[in-house]
Amino acid sequence: QVQLQQWGAGLLKPLETLSLTCAVHGGSLSGYYWTWIRQPPGRRLEWIGEISHIGSTNYNPSLKSRVTISLDTSREHFSLELTSMTAADTAVYYCARFSPFVGYNWFDPWGQGTLVTVSS
Amino acid sequence: IQMTQSPSSLSASVGDRVTITCRASQDIRDDIGWYQQKPGKAPERLIYVASSLQSGVPSRFSGSGSGTEFTLTISSLQPEDFATYYCLQHNSYPRTFGQGTKVEIK
Repeated sequence: QVQLQQWGAGLLKPLETLSLTCAVHGGSLSGYYWTWIRQPPGRRLEWIGEISHIGSTNYNPSLKSRVTISLDTSREHFSLELTSMTAADTAVYYCARFSPFVGYNWFDPWGQGTLVTVSS
Repeated sequence: IQMTQSPSSLSASVGDRVTITCRASQDIRDDIGWYQQKPGKAPERLIYVASSLQSGVPSRFSGSGSGTEFTLTISSLQPEDFATYYCLQHNSYPRTFGQGTKVEIK
């Protein structure tokens, strides 16, 4: 059973860069899209972006200028970088796997979530 | 694609039938899933491709719809179902969520 375990700094100052990593345990990176999603306090979930097992990326246009998602196939993990953080980026950040197979499309599993707070 | 979910919250009793609706701003075929989130936890999938029940999810959960209007129904609400529910479309980029429906105990 595939599990995702994520980690990274939880407290940042304004204008710093967020770095989070998500390790894939018990499964292959192949064939899936590896995704980052966030949830600001009291607001709806927001899709940040994804990377395929061959390294192609898609980003949310609202964040595209500040986001980089990368993949390390040798270590079987993927990472998120979000630059120029502000208080508006305070959220719980989740990693998740997206299955693109026709008729079997879903986001599962998810990481445990990382609360990221931006404060001076 | 905008996903408009309603209601934003509801109060219901154990045993009640509950229906949650998501409307897409354009045709998304059946490219939608429903997720349940409990406080402090990551969302968990319930329904995929609009109406397919995830393995292990109780049969009191069902999904329906196609195109722009979708529903999640809980046929007989149980204590463990009190949570927040989200729809999520994967028809086009960026993927987008509904605003969530918080199901509370009456």
